[in-house]
Amino acid sequence: ETGVTQSPTHLIKTRGQQVTLRCSSQSGHNTVSWYQQALGQGPQFIFQYYREEENGRGNFPPRFSGLQFPNYSSELNVNALELDDSALYLCASSSPGGIKENTIYFGEGSWLTVV
Amino acid sequence: QKEVEQNSGPLSVPEGAIASLNCTYSDRGSQSFFWYRQYSGKSPELIMFIYSNGDKEDGRFTAQLNKASQYVSLLIRDSQPSDSATYLCAVKPHGGSQGNLIFGKGTKLSVKP
Repeated sequence: ETGVTQSPTHLIKTRGQQVTLRCSSQSGHNTVSWYQQALGQGPQFIFQYYREEENGRGNFPPRFSGLQFPNYSSELNVNALELDDSALYLCASSSPGGIKENTIYFGEGSWLTVV
Repeated sequence: QKEVEQNSGPLSVPEGAIASLNCTYSDRGSQSFFWYRQYSGKSPELIMFIYSNGDKEDGRFTAQLNKASQYVSLLIRDSQPSDSATYLCAVKPHGGSQGNLIFGKGTKLSVKP
């Protein structure tokens, strides 16, 4: 148990639709990152939120967007879903500062299938 | 393009043997290195992190880092069938934001009873 919770755990969407995935970070962790993991691949960094601002982004198009709330929880929104968006979406939180600041802890993930 | 390379496997070892998992990375400025274990259908869980050259031991696990060779390894002693999983190597690139790690594709380990 990492203390990072995600919802929903599984969902199926139709191509062109929009989806919102939610994440509650571990207590005391103010930084939330989102990753996409396609089948047979390692997780790929989508973006990171710190103090409600996006402060790092991977190679993902603008239709991937997010929010972070004052309680550090976060949302990932994906618009105009494509078949290739089918993947496990992972939320990760990390602690501020210190030697462990680069250590991230994943939630259980949200499995998205686009049909 | 900053990359992390791992042999996809599968790596098969008998129960009780030492499993050796390897990883190379391209960003010479990387400072932090991580090993995650991922069971089928589950999310990755952190096993170890290492920052300094040399070895770091935690129970049956030993992480080894050689920054000059840009090489990280994970040794699992006394391998158990419950260690069967995919092992992901991750690297924090130089200049990357706090939660930005670059992952390899993972090595699938199978421990045979």
